[in-house]
Amino acid sequence: KQEVTQIPAALSVPEGENLVLNCSFTDSAIYNLQWFRQDPGKGLTSLLLIQSSQREQTSGRLNASLDKSSGRSTLYIAASQPGDSATYLCAVRLFNDMRFGAGTRLTVKP
Amino acid sequence: GAGVSQTPSNKVTEKGKYVELRCDPISGHTALYWYRQSLGQGPEFLIYFQGTGAADDSGLPNDRFFAVRPEGSVSTLKIQRTERGDSAVYLCASSLMGGSNTEAFFGQGTRLTVV
Repeated sequence: KQEVTQIPAALSVPEGENLVLNCSFTDSAIYNLQWFRQDPGKGLTSLLLIQSSQREQTSGRLNASLDKSSGRSTLYIAASQPGDSATYLCAVRLFNDMRFGAGTRLTVKP
Repeated sequence: GAGVSQTPSNKVTEKGKYVELRCDPISGHTALYWYRQSLGQGPEFLIYFQGTGAADDSGLPNDRFFAVRPEGSVSTLKIQRTERGDSAVYLCASSLMGGSNTEAFFGQGTRLTVV
């Protein structure tokens, strides 16, 4: 059974800092890994999808990396802004089975 | 449709009652997932459909929970004899079938409160 772990559980940083969120998984035979953002009381918004054959994906200030062999992914957020405050979730897909970590709750202080 | 739609957005029910939660996936998406999310936790897998059939229902917590997708599009999650512990946000996601470039899209969820 795929286990997905996200560290840290919570993170508070001042505006402008660069930061890294971590995701680890136990079964490296993944199809892809997807990072989501969730605002309080809302659904999940897809940020980045990394296919199993890829090493990284970038979208604006976000960069996600994938190391399948070690079972790790990181989400790098550059020049953080208060609007980035949310919970960030990673989801690992084995074929069509998709499992989530518990998330990292990010607070960016003005 | 433009996105995944879930109805109702909120549902309050009394303990012991039966509830149905509906999910309308993105048109053409053959894969559909149901998750349950409690406060402060990540989404917990319940069931996954490929087309009309439940390919994996290993996450359903007990036999009070059941889901259908009779025509391979809309899905309904059914909960019998609801308990207070069933209170959570129920999320639905859909995606295309296929390879590693398939992205999953989520609805806004249904917040179920059992009183």
